[in-house]
Amino acid sequence: QSALTQPPSASGSPGQSVTISCTGTSSDIGLYNYVSWYQQHPGKAPKFLIYEINERPSGVPDRFSGSKSGNTASLTVSGLLAEDEAVYYCSSYAGNNNYVFGSGTKVTVL
Amino acid sequence: QEQLVESWGGVVQPGRSLRLSCAASGFTFGSYAMHWVRQAPGKGLEWVALISYDGRNKFYADSVKGRFTISRDNPQNTLDLQLNSLRAEDTAVYYCVRGWGKAAAALDVWGQGTMVTVSS
Repeated sequence: QSALTQPPSASGSPGQSVTISCTGTSSDIGLYNYVSWYQQHPGKAPKFLIYEINERPSGVPDRFSGSKSGNTASLTVSGLLAEDEAVYYCSSYAGNNNYVFGSGTKVTVL
Repeated sequence: QEQLVESWGGVVQPGRSLRLSCAASGFTFGSYAMHWVRQAPGKGLEWVALISYDGRNKFYADSVKGRFTISRDNPQNTLDLQLNSLRAEDTAVYYCVRGWGKAAAALDVWGQGTMVTVSS
């Protein structure tokens, strides 16, 4: 199972929005709505941000939102804050109890 | 507070074995599927293994199938990962993660990770 494709980097100024894409195939993102997103700061464990494409767990600000079209999922971070600078990973269920992560996108707040 | 704490990582020679453990607290451990996820130094996340809530069903990434074994002890609230025939490419931080929701695909609680280094 190949990793999902994410752009290596993205950036935005404080207060702006940034959108990260996550491209898979018709066997993972295209077939299932079980796409999640995670945020990882340097030296820390990933933090759960989004599940089932666009659902936010309690405690996650509504500045974080998700969507999906075809084989590509997206995460949008609105109203960028300095603390949003991190690496973001997508993941998808890939069937037959297999799971695949994205390659990760480093978000820089300018 | 829901918490996962991994232990027993370390440095091991190629071809040798290691057993990781994860202690869960603050939630009903036996109600959740559990995953192991790893991250090689400077690299992305890689799913390793999944075990069902009752331990009856186990699934593995192709890269570790036949070498790694996931297990759990619900009364003791622990999750283990037995790593055999270790290779240099198994060097990574190993995270114990709770699986939640449909297909246990929402990895909602993560441990702090334990480092495994495979080197001669």
